[in-house]
Amino acid sequence: DIQLTQSPSSLSASVGDRVTITCRASEGIGNDLGWHQQKPGKPPKRLIYAASRLQSGVPSRFSGSGSGTEFTLTISSLQPEDFAIYYCLQHNSYPYTFGQGTKLEIK
Amino acid sequence: QPHLQESGPRLVKPSETLSLTCTVSGASISSSSFYWGWLRQPPGKGLEWIGSLYYTGNTHYNPSLKSRVTLSVDTSKNQFSLKLTSMTAADSAIYYCARVIYGVDVWGQGTTVTVSS
Repeated sequence: DIQLTQSPSSLSASVGDRVTITCRASEGIGNDLGWHQQKPGKPPKRLIYAASRLQSGVPSRFSGSGSGTEFTLTISSLQPEDFAIYYCLQHNSYPYTFGQGTKLEIK
Repeated sequence: QPHLQESGPRLVKPSETLSLTCTVSGASISSSSFYWGWLRQPPGKGLEWIGSLYYTGNTHYNPSLKSRVTLSVDTSKNQFSLKLTSMTAADSAIYYCARVIYGVDVWGQGTTVTVSS
């Protein structure tokens, strides 16, 4: 199975901050990676697919980059509604696998 | 945006079989563009891929669960289903159905399943 490692596991930041979350794959996955946001008691919601494509309806402050084994999710200016857990998901090969999650908390 | 809704029992006894159904509205499960999948999330933990299937019945299972999982599709009802046998406490989780294209595209709301006698 392809292992995905996210860093950091948790992050404290303030409204208006720029934050970056990294996802590293145990082997190359091209650009077959998405980012999902999960708020308490809710299902995840996809923000980014194909490493850098913004899901329809997602604010443009979210962006993704990377290919191969290293990927990043960037939030350019944190909003109160962005405090959540973020997961990366690879769909290059079965079984699809997730990173362990990054919890973004208010400082 | 399609809507996916899981249904099934919330409480399952150890060693029994879990049966869940996902009803899809706003999209055809027979679309050639999509797979349909099941995932789960134990309480307070991360996400796990269970498996996915195409409307023709072609399936991909997570090897960690393959011996216990069966996915099936009913195109006449626009539904797909999950069966997971030999349930244990470790299988207690929120179970999500999902539409799959470039990974998970749309998630269901999830249903909490508890394994307990």
